[in-house]
Formats: sequence, structure tokens, C-alpha cells
Amino acid sequence: QVQLVQSGAEVKKPGASVRVSCKPSGYTFTDYHIQWVRQAPGQGLEWMGWIDPKSGGTNYAQKFQGRVTMTRDTSISTAYMELSRLTSDDTAVFYCARDLFDSSGPSWWFDPWGQGTLVTVSS
Amino acid sequence: SSELTQDPAVSVALGQTVRITCQGDSLRSNYASWYQQKPGQAPVVVIYAKNNRPSGIPDRFSGSGSGNTASLTITGAQAEDEADYYCKSRDSSGNHPRVFGGGTKLTVL
Repeated sequence: QVQLVQSGAEVKKPGASVRVSCKPSGYTFTDYHIQWVRQAPGQGLEWMGWIDPKSGGTNYAQKFQGRVTMTRDTSISTAYMELSRLTSDDTAVFYCARDLFDSSGPSWWFDPWGQGTLVTVSS
Repeated sequence: SSELTQDPAVSVALGQTVRITCQGDSLRSNYASWYQQKPGQAPVVVIYAKNNRPSGIPDRFSGSGSGNTASLTITGAQAEDEADYYCKSRDSSGNHPRVFGGGTKLTVL
């Protein structure tokens, strides 16, 4: 079955960077974009951007531009999201998800999602 | 505009029907997808495209849309449907950001 497995929880100090990994299985890694979503404690879902594993092309949400970098390593079928200059406001669970598309609508949706990675920013 | 608006909270009696709505300009150009999130769990898609359910999603979940409004309907709500529900769309402007609604907390009474 298709699944995305993310790296474990992280604790970082303000000003540091964090890198979260996402390893899909059950499909060809380069066939679908990987999306990244942030969820602060008790808050809603916030889209961060996507990476095309085939080309390495990226598209970042304006809010995170200059601070987020999405990369991939096709040799090990893994995507990464790095967020720099962390503050306490970045304490959140970060999710990756596979991006699917149907041209008939059109419609874009995320399925499945990774299990989430908790990043805690604290001095 | 790249905003989607949802009611923050909705309640439904066990076995009754509830509709959760989502409004935004981006819905005029593409279908919303809907996600269910239970506490401590990752979101799960329950409706995508016009009105499609992934395998494993009960047929009591259905979707519809008109103009700038999308709706998720649960016909015969069950206790296990109590969760947060988020709509999502793709904005037609700029770099086509994805946008989530603020979420609706569904309580099954």
C-alpha cells in the first residue's frame, strides 16, 4: 500500500534550522509531487509548498519564501523540507503528502499523508 | 483571493444529516477536497474531485459544489465521525498556492 514515512520529532533552539524527511513507498517516487503542510498546536492546516521529485522544481507559499527549502534525493526516494531561522511560532507538526490530480474537474488532493513530525522550538 | 471560509463548529445528533460548507473564490475554478482529522492523527481525505470517496471511506460522506461554495454532507452521522474537517482548494492566482479552510469541528451529540 502507498504510505509516506516521516522522520522523528525534533527539538530546536530559536534561530536554528530543522530538516524533516519524507520517504514514500508503494509507488514510483518521481511520479507525484510531494506537498508539505504545517499545523501549529490547536490550529488549522497551513500549506507550505511542494516539490516535484522528478525535476526538483519547487513552489513555496509566499509566507515561507526565503526560509523554506524543499529538496529530494532520488537515489533513496526521499523528500526533505528544511525550515530556517526558527522561532517559537514554528513549533508545529509538519506533514508531507502525495499530490494527486484529476483533470476532469479539475481537482487536486493530498493522499496519503505522512504520520507527521513534531518540531518544538524552545530555548 | 486565496481564502476559504468554514464555520468553526457544527453539531449533529447521532444518525442525523449534517452539511459542512466552505466558501471561497478559488472554488469557482476547481473542486474542493475534504479532509477529516481526528485528535493526534494525520488528516485523511474523505472527498475529492466532484464527489469521489477513496476506498475505505463510508458512503455516508458525499460532496457537492456550486459557484464559490463547496459542501461536505454526512448522511446518518456516527459517533466516529466526530472530528475536524478541512476543505482545500487550489488558488488560480500567482503561483497557484494550495489553500485550506480554517476547519470545522464536528460534534456528534
